[in-house]
Amino acid sequence: AQRVTQPEKLLSVFKGAPVELKCNYSYSGSPELFWYVQYSRQRLQLLLRHISRESIKGFTADLNKGETSFHLKKPFAQEEDSAMYYCALSNTMDTGRRALTFGSGTRLQVQP
Amino acid sequence: SAVISQKPSRDICQRGTSLTIQCQVDSQVTMMFWYRQQPGQSLTLIATANQGSEATYESGFVIDKFPISRPNLTFSTLTVSNMSPEDSSIYLCSVPSPFVWGQGQETQYFGPGTRLLVL
Repeated sequence: AQRVTQPEKLLSVFKGAPVELKCNYSYSGSPELFWYVQYSRQRLQLLLRHISRESIKGFTADLNKGETSFHLKKPFAQEEDSAMYYCALSNTMDTGRRALTFGSGTRLQVQP
Repeated sequence: SAVISQKPSRDICQRGTSLTIQCQVDSQVTMMFWYRQQPGQSLTLIATANQGSEATYESGFVIDKFPISRPNLTFSTLTVSNMSPEDSSIYLCSVPSPFVWGQGQETQYFGPGTRLLVL
């Protein structure tokens, strides 16, 4: 069974400091990983996906299959980055559904 | 991106009663997903709702407790039956985004959620 682990419930940094939100996964197939973000009083939304190798709002995430990790990074945190971040894994072997398995989430607090 | 709405946005219910949550999408989708987010926890998939067939439930969730309807390609309902305080959660529906086969770009769009409190 697939599993996504986010070891930190809360990460607090100062504005301008680097940020790394950790995500490790367990999956027997070819993984497809995503980061979702939920800002205060807003719905859950996609931040980025590993397949696109994109940078969104300064965030990047690299899939490391050797370490089974997909950590989210940003070199300089901004106050508006404060939110709840969820790492998610798509069940690629279930091609008819491709449901998501979510990690427990990490709350990022960026202090001024 | 899809526009997804849910009704009600929140409710307070008495133990033993049932609540039906509606999910409306602005475009036709074959699958809709229902998730639960209990206080302080992550999202857990309850079931997948397919139009024209029975919903597919995840381990730990049963149709008697969470009956689902999917009358057309833009609408679904989830009923939380015979509620107890343990059912207090946020319930979310989501739909897959368009994807290209073999390129793994599919993701999901989420509704705003229904916040349920059972007393």
